[in-house]
Amino acid sequence: GQQVMQIPQYQHVQEGEDFTTYCNSSTTLSNIQWYKQRPGGHPVFLIQLVKSGEVKKQKRLTFQFGEAKKNSSLHITATQTTDVGTYFCAVIPMDSNYQLIWGAGTKLIIKP
Amino acid sequence: NAGVTQTPKFQVLKTGQSMTLQCAQDMNHEYMSWYRQDPGMGLRLIHYSVGAGITDQGEVPNGYNVSRSTTEDFPLRLLSAAPSQTSVYFCASRGLSYEQYFGPGTRLTVT
Repeated sequence: GQQVMQIPQYQHVQEGEDFTTYCNSSTTLSNIQWYKQRPGGHPVFLIQLVKSGEVKKQKRLTFQFGEAKKNSSLHITATQTTDVGTYFCAVIPMDSNYQLIWGAGTKLIIKP
Repeated sequence: NAGVTQTPKFQVLKTGQSMTLQCAQDMNHEYMSWYRQDPGMGLRLIHYSVGAGITDQGEVPNGYNVSRSTTEDFPLRLLSAAPSQTSVYFCASRGLSYEQYFGPGTRLTVT
């Protein structure tokens, strides 16, 4: 069935370094959502991308939707300890029943 | 608005016991769902409902039942708990743009 690949599984960064996670689909997507889950917490909706080539920013977070609507990225500039957590993408394929398909998540770890 | 609430927060069961995890939302969302999340893993859909009286199976429905008698409530029943059901369970409701709002989760241990 439809699968979503999210890479990397983990990323260790020094505080102040940048972080990027990628979400890739084999089929064209209707939209993609990004969520953040803090350790011990629940997933929290960050943003939704709908248009081909769309770029949205939230402070230090930049979200991009690929031109072919098959991939997306989340980039965090100058990470802070408050960014620690797991970032999930969730996609709705074109011509689907609007069920979300979840990526496995990328865990952001700040090195001490 | 309380959003999505779940009870209990923690639960320990013995193998073979049954229990119901409660979920309620006050956002008048039609679509609700249950997920399980195993340590270090992503979210797997157990059951979902598109409105009162309508439920359907997700990716991992075996061992779980749901019902939806009202828009607000969507309880998840474990019929006969097994150690493989040790997990964190999240209930979610879906907004008009398909974004999901999650409850705080129930951490379940089956011994």
